[in-house]
Amino acid sequence: QQQVKQSPQSLIVQKGGISIINCAYENTAFDYFPWYQQFPGKGPALLIAIRPDVSEKKEGRFTISFNKSAKQFSLHIMDSQPGDSATYFCAALASGGGADGLTFGKGTHLIIQP
Amino acid sequence: EPEVTQTPSHQVTQMGQEVILRCVPISNHLYFYWYRQILGQKVEFLVSFYNNEISEKSEIFDDQFSVERPDGSNFTLKIRSTKLEDSAMYFCASSLLIGGDGELFFGEGSRLTVL
Repeated sequence: QQQVKQSPQSLIVQKGGISIINCAYENTAFDYFPWYQQFPGKGPALLIAIRPDVSEKKEGRFTISFNKSAKQFSLHIMDSQPGDSATYFCAALASGGGADGLTFGKGTHLIIQP
Repeated sequence: EPEVTQTPSHQVTQMGQEVILRCVPISNHLYFYWYRQILGQKVEFLVSFYNNEISEKSEIFDDQFSVERPDGSNFTLKIRSTKLEDSAMYFCASSLLIGGDGELFFGEGSRLTVL
């Protein structure tokens, strides 16, 4: 129940295209859903996050779509650029339940082809 | 920009040896964490630390692990008797606020290789 399932495992997108990564969860206590970007040799860095009181959040080229009833959320990268090539992790937290630790998905290795 | 720093960047040790991984969190942050990432796998929560005590720990964080904040700046993770399966990248993180209210800042990680 603590799992966050992420797909696809890897994704290749042409420059300028839309990259879409999906995550699903079971634990209804989760109330904070961040996405992290990780470059090789670096730690994860927060990209964008959403709470379940909204269905969409947009920051620049990055958008999170959230479907509470389906228990799914997704990251959309518009106008994908080669510099977006990285591993992306979705995560979830039951902050209202007093949890401190994020539960991560298994990651998506994104390659943007020039 | 303030950052979380970790040392060493890579440590190789023999099975059964003790290892200490060190972290300097961002100076005004109050909450500290250790996560690990086995090669090619997901990032996993180990432990959180606040007000000089463990706030939460996962099932991975067994009696072989301990954390300490020995002074006002360092935050350490000790593995008492390393096992082969402890080989992973260990990430320290810190946040000003807890949970979803505070952005988690990760260090670049310490790669532990147990032979």
